[in-house]
Amino acid sequence: DQQVKQNSPSLSVQEGRISILNCDYTNSMFDYFLWYKKYPAEGPTFLISISSIKDKNEDGRFTVFLNKSAKHLSLHIVPSQPGDSAVYFCAASGYGGSQGNLIFGKGTKLSVKP
Amino acid sequence: NAGVMQNPRHLVRRRGQEARLRCSPMKGHSHVYWYRQLPEEGLKFMVYLQKENIIDESGMPKERFSAEFPKEGPSILRIQQVVRGDSAAYFCASSPSLGNNEQFFGPGTRLTVL
Repeated sequence: DQQVKQNSPSLSVQEGRISILNCDYTNSMFDYFLWYKKYPAEGPTFLISISSIKDKNEDGRFTVFLNKSAKHLSLHIVPSQPGDSAVYFCAASGYGGSQGNLIFGKGTKLSVKP
Repeated sequence: NAGVMQNPRHLVRRRGQEARLRCSPMKGHSHVYWYRQLPEEGLKFMVYLQKENIIDESGMPKERFSAEFPKEGPSILRIQQVVRGDSAAYFCASSPSLGNNEQFFGPGTRLTVL
């Protein structure tokens, strides 16, 4: 039973436009959410995070929105650049077993076309 | 200012052999996590360790897998009597404290079982 779901396996966006990556979760005990970016043959790189006490966090071109009532978060990248092409993983942590481990979605492959 | 280091990057084993994967956390980090990524899947938590202690091994298979993080030296993930289904990318992450949920990942070890 997947607790963190990324329902779009892939997304294609034109350079300069906005990329919106979505993530849903089922466990209401999750209290911290993270986005990681991953290139092939490399480890995930931390991108941005948000605590459950907030509904928005912004860092440069990246903004994460959290809707707790809908158990939904999204990552906005604007403007999108070709170098943003990668797989993006949504992850959550909280009290579902261990406070240390992260629960990951399956990822969304973003392609930004020049 | 080295990041999380993992070796080897690639490991090939025949069925029935042992695999040893090593992880050196970032300087100043005392928490280590191991995750496994199967093809087309997200990362799945395996085990969380601090120096000389296993904190949470709820994601570890009950047999053949073990992990340690000794007082000196890297963390080791050991897989005995490997089978083809163990073929995956194994990622190690580290963090400085439990309160900080940002985990920094290494480049991974890609295990192939022939």
